[in-house]
Amino acid sequence: AQKVTQAQTEISVVEKEDVTLDCVYETRDTTYYLFWYKQPPSGELVFLIRRNSFDEQNEISGRYSWNFQKSTSSFNFTITASQVVDSAVYFCALSEPNTGFQKLVFGTGTRLLVSP
Amino acid sequence: DTAVSQTPKYLVTQMGNDKSIKCEQNLGHDTMYWYKQDSKKFLKIMFSYNNKELIINETVPNRFSPKSPDKAHLNLHINSLELGDSAVYFCASSQEGGAVTEAFFGQGTRLTVV
Repeated sequence: AQKVTQAQTEISVVEKEDVTLDCVYETRDTTYYLFWYKQPPSGELVFLIRRNSFDEQNEISGRYSWNFQKSTSSFNFTITASQVVDSAVYFCALSEPNTGFQKLVFGTGTRLLVSP
Repeated sequence: DTAVSQTPKYLVTQMGNDKSIKCEQNLGHDTMYWYKQDSKKFLKIMFSYNNKELIINETVPNRFSPKSPDKAHLNLHINSLELGDSAVYFCASSQEGGAVTEAFFGQGTRLTVV
């Protein structure tokens, strides 16, 4: 069965610190997709990144970077030089397209608090 | 210009009532979803429709009935509301066919049953 574990319930950092949000997943499929979503205090869910299981290249987008390691079933998310606006709940999610349609299985989220 | 829009944003109602939440997407996607986020922020899929056809139904009480009049709309009707139905309900859409793409979410509807 699919499962996504975000062991860090809440992380508090001071602005400009780097922070890594952990995500560990379980799946029996060889083809799957991993996602990160951000939920700011305003409540909407904002897509950050999608990764398929065949692409283990790390990705960097501005201050955000993602480290995908199939060997450890992890897809960690690092924010460099954090800012107050990064304060949000971050969700990691997994999708197995074996039915041809997407069903996102979410982790329980990590609340990031960035203080000035 | 909102890609996925839900109405209403807030809904407060009494136990036993019937209510509907509407969702519309203007992205041209052919798949739409309803997700439920509980008070602990846990997100779980409820339904998925592809081209107006029900694809995923995740053991949701039959008091919940999704309706898709066309592929741009997916409404959620809830009968005989219970206190435990209080949650934030998110509509989402994605374009299927081949690779899995990201889902775009609406702003959410906060339902409070009193």
